[in-house]
Amino acid sequence: GAVVSQHPSWVICKSGTSVKIECRSLDFQATTMFWYRQFPKQSLMLMATSNEGSKATYEQGVEKDKFLINHASLTLSTLTVTSAHPEDSSFYICSARGDTYSNQPQHFGDGTRLSIL
Amino acid sequence: DAKTTQPPSMDCAEGRAANLPCNHSTISGNEYVYWYRQIHSQGPQYIIHGLKNNETNEMASLIITEDRKSSTLILPHATLRDTAVYYCIVSGYNFNKFYFGSGTKLNVKP
Repeated sequence: GAVVSQHPSWVICKSGTSVKIECRSLDFQATTMFWYRQFPKQSLMLMATSNEGSKATYEQGVEKDKFLINHASLTLSTLTVTSAHPEDSSFYICSARGDTYSNQPQHFGDGTRLSIL
Repeated sequence: DAKTTQPPSMDCAEGRAANLPCNHSTISGNEYVYWYRQIHSQGPQYIIHGLKNNETNEMASLIITEDRKSSTLILPHATLRDTAVYYCIVSGYNFNKFYFGSGTKLNVKP
């Protein structure tokens, strides 16, 4: 149980284009979803928190107009990297949890590797 | 959220127990300790979590000291597939956000 799926797993695109990454909870309803990015040989960095039907809350230093997050249903959240540039190349990982305020663990997807040429 | 301190790397012989320490001396009363691991190029995998009592599941055991300022993750019989970066995270407030530290790279050797 508690499976989170991300799509695509790998994407290469040209500088200036926008890229959408999907995160789905397959067997539970995800009240809260989180988005992280990870650079090579570094730890995960929390980008934003989203609750179904609400606007996402971004961490300090994360550009909300650059990284658009939509959490329109209890099983789907999307991250759109707008006008992507080479410095946006990274490993993007989502996680989901069924209860907003509980101590239940987050369940992570397998990540999306984004390469901007 | 409380910060955690972990050794950057540890070695363990295959078949032996791996004991991974974590210091969280500023933990607050209702914050939980979570352990995850990340195998190269994959998302983190949940292992175990606890508040103040020791916990055990099919993957590992979690020992939390009485003052809750530190904990140890125990993999009872490490295999080569347990080679990964292990993260200790403390969380309990603010939507239970996770702020990852640097983790411990566990190298299981034959």
